[in-house]
Amino acid sequence: DIQMTQSPASLSASLEEIVTITCQASQDIENWLAWYQQKPGKSPQLLIYGATSLADGVPSSFSGSRSGTQYSLKISRLQVEDIGIYYCLQAYSAPNTFGAGTKLELK
Amino acid sequence: QVQLKESGPGLVKPSETLSLTCTVSGFSLTSFHVSWVRQPPGKGLEWMGVIWGDGSTAYNSALKSRLSISRDTSKSQVFLKMSSLKTEDTATYYCARDLGYGGFDYWGQGVMVTVSS
Repeated sequence: DIQMTQSPASLSASLEEIVTITCQASQDIENWLAWYQQKPGKSPQLLIYGATSLADGVPSSFSGSRSGTQYSLKISRLQVEDIGIYYCLQAYSAPNTFGAGTKLELK
Repeated sequence: QVQLKESGPGLVKPSETLSLTCTVSGFSLTSFHVSWVRQPPGKGLEWMGVIWGDGSTAYNSALKSRLSISRDTSKSQVFLKMSSLKTEDTATYYCARDLGYGGFDYWGQGVMVTVSS
């Protein structure tokens, strides 16, 4: 199974700050990575698919990138509504695997 | 529009079998895959399994011996059955439309299942 190592586990940042979350895949997943945001009591919402493509309705302050087997999610200017838990998902092969999550809080 | 909705019992006893239904609308089960994902309280997401558009399935190896996913395309429903439940199976269970390489784009609201005697 492909392992996804996500970091950091938690992150405290200020409004308007740049935030970066990373996921390291245990093998090549050829850009087939998605990012999700989850708020308390809600279902996960798709932010990014195919490593870099923005899902419909997602603000352009979110972006995804790849360097080898490391994938990153960047929030360019943190807003209050961006607070939540973020997960990566490798969609390259079954069993699909999620990262452990990053809890993003306001400083 | 695309919608998924999970339904099933909120409470199940240990050793019993869990049966959940995911009713979808706005897309065809023969054209899209559907995955099941669960989330124990306060913990992360775990992919359980998928039923692909052609009706074939794949499962998380840790759950494979207890898990079965099937569907009724005429009713636009996907079914999850998991046997020999344990207290650690307590979780919110989600179904999601699975794009394959594109990840899961639409999710149901989830159904909380508690395993307790």
